[in-house]
Amino acid sequence: NAGVTQTPKFQVLKTGQSMTLQCAQDMNHEYMSWYRQDPGMGLRLIHYSVGAGITDQGEVPNGYNVSRSTTEDFPLRLLSAAPSQTSVYFCASRDRANTGELFFGEGSRLTVL
Amino acid sequence: AQSVTQLGSHVSVSEGALVLLRCNYSSSVPPYLFWYVQYPNQGLQLLLKYTTGATLVKGINGFEAEFKKSETSFHLTKPSAHMSDAAEYFCAVSGTSGGSNYKLTFGKGTLLTVNP
Repeated sequence: NAGVTQTPKFQVLKTGQSMTLQCAQDMNHEYMSWYRQDPGMGLRLIHYSVGAGITDQGEVPNGYNVSRSTTEDFPLRLLSAAPSQTSVYFCASRDRANTGELFFGEGSRLTVL
Repeated sequence: AQSVTQLGSHVSVSEGALVLLRCNYSSSVPPYLFWYVQYPNQGLQLLLKYTTGATLVKGINGFEAEFKKSETSFHLTKPSAHMSDAAEYFCAVSGTSGGSNYKLTFGKGTLLTVNP
């Protein structure tokens, strides 16, 4: 039972490089989201999706793009990485019926030099 | 807009002592409330949640929380701390209808240390 799978777990980028963080879930959840976690800041919502083909911005969307072509996958793209994007990124999902319980991946730690 | 305030970024208790982690929320309507726990180098997992009904909710690992509407609080307690409870704890709030119940707003977290 894989749940929510994130890759890669660790990544180091140089300023200006682009990359994609992958997220896949095998629970047929409609809702998927990306959060970033920074010390003392808790988790902040970047982007979310309520179904295939539907995405919306969260609290801190600048510098990130998402797409949702399938129910299972929700990749997060950094178009031109900046040191301020150094963080731990979490993907989470839930189904429509389950009030509030998000299922989290194990996180992707990104360092931008 | 909803918000969550966790009082105390770091709480330290002795093994066997009471654990009390404080959470206050701001919401224009009664929300859904959650506590999540994060162990080192892991994702978050749900401890307990309040949606409707009984205001005292019990979760995993002996934790419980009480929803107090008059105080806009949802404090997390455990009668006797165990070493394995050492982790970071996050309080979260969401709306209860339409698309608002999809998005969770998290507090900044409280790191719990348990001393032998």
